[in-house]
Amino acid sequence: DAKTTQPPSMDCAEGRAANLPCNHSTISGNEYVYWYRQIHSQGPQYIIHGLKNNETNEMASLIITEDRKSSTLILPHATLRDTAVYYCIVRVSVAGGTSYGKLTFGQGTILTVHP
Amino acid sequence: GAVVSQHPSWVICKSGTSVKIECRSLDFQATTMFWYRQFPKQSLMLMATSNEGSKATYEQGVEKDKFLINHASLTLSTLTVTSAHPEDSSFYICSADRYMGRTDTQYFGPGTRLTVL
Repeated sequence: DAKTTQPPSMDCAEGRAANLPCNHSTISGNEYVYWYRQIHSQGPQYIIHGLKNNETNEMASLIITEDRKSSTLILPHATLRDTAVYYCIVRVSVAGGTSYGKLTFGQGTILTVHP
Repeated sequence: GAVVSQHPSWVICKSGTSVKIECRSLDFQATTMFWYRQFPKQSLMLMATSNEGSKATYEQGVEKDKFLINHASLTLSTLTVTSAHPEDSSFYICSADRYMGRTDTQYFGPGTRLTVL
C-alpha cells in the first residue's frame, strides 16, 4: 500500500472549517483513500473514503485532486469533540472477495479544536 | 450501523496467566477481522488478520503461539494472550471488515486495555 504524509498537528477554532491535508504521491490506480480518527483511548472511527471523485457524508467531505496525489478532509463546522488524531490511509479495496487490503496507520495529524 | 464491540474493555491480570478478548460485529457479518495493538503515544500496529473458518495470518514479529486467534463465526473473533507478561500490557483493538457496494471498510471496536502485573 502507498504511504501517506500528513502534518503532525493542526489547530482550528470551534465553528470553523477544519481542512486536513494528506499527500499520497505514490498511490496506485486501485487504491482508495480512507480517513479515520482516534479520540484518546478509543478505537479508531471511520470517517469517509473515496477513489477519485469527491465524497461527502454526514461527518465530512473528502476532496481528491485530479491526479490523485493528494487529498483534503474537510470538517465543515468543527466542534471541541472533533479534537482527535486523524489518519489518512491508502489501501486496496476488494468488492465481495477476501479482504487483503491492510490498514497501515502512520502518525496522523493531531487536530486540536479550541474555543 | 456498523457497530463492533469488544469485551472486556479493560483487564488486569497476573504475569503468567492467559487473557481472552472478544470482538463482535453486532449488525453485520464479517468474513475478515483484524487485531491491532497500540502502545502509549504510538500508532496502531496490525498483529494479525483473521478469516472465518481458517487460520489467522500473523504479521512479522508477532508470535502466533502467544497470541491465539479464533474466528469461529461471522460475528465473533477472539484473541487469547497466553502466558501474559508485563511487556504485553497494551491497548488491543479489533476491527471487522464490512462490504458495501464496490468497496470494503474496516470498523473498529472500542479497544481493550490490558495490564499485566
